Amino acid sequence: ELKVEQNPLFLSMQEGKNYTIYCNYSTTSDRLYWYRQDPGKSLESLFVLLSNGAVKQEGRLMASLDTKARLSTLHITAAVHDLSATYFCAVDTGYALNFGKGTSLLVTP
Amino acid sequence: SAVISQKPSRDICQRGTSLTIQCQVDSQVTMMFWYRQQPGQSLTLIATANQGSEATYESGFVIDKFPISRPNLTFSTLTVSNMSPEDSSIYLCSVEGGTALSGGYTFGSGTRLTVV
Repeated sequence: ELKVEQNPLFLSMQEGKNYTIYCNYSTTSDRLYWYRQDPGKSLESLFVLLSNGAVKQEGRLMASLDTKARLSTLHITAAVHDLSATYFCAVDTGYALNFGKGTSLLVTP
Repeated sequence: SAVISQKPSRDICQRGTSLTIQCQVDSQVTMMFWYRQQPGQSLTLIATANQGSEATYESGFVIDKFPISRPNLTFSTLTVSNMSPEDSSIYLCSVEGGTALSGGYTFGSGTRLTVV
């Protein structure tokens, strides 16, 4: 059974600070996705990582994938309040997506 | 990229009743996916639906409780039957195919179900 472990599950950080969210998974996959969810809303696709060593950046967020270590990271640079949300990583099993538990991020002044 | 229209967006239902959730996609897709997100939890796959065949259910989900229809390549419904308060969740449909920027899977806007 594929396991997807995200940490931390809760993160409170000050504006302007940097932090990294980690996503470990237990089986071979070379497709990993990051999603953002605002309270009461659906999922917004942030990044698709399709190969080992893939790195993608959008604004203050950067995602990377190491398929050998079965690890993906979502790095937040100089956080702002608008980044407050829950972030999910999801591993593509070739059949459907298997989600981590999510990281609830709160950015405070 | 696919655009999904999901309805209803929310509903409050009496226990013992059923609710049917609809998802309409603006393009033809082979597979549609139904997920459940219980309060404060992650997403769990309920089933995958191919047009013209029976849906494939994940462990812990059964057709009698969550019947799915897939009459064509752009539409699917999920029914939550004989509801109990434990069924209170957000239900989301999804298809493969995201934005030009991010690719991946696209999700509907979700149905927030409260069972009282």
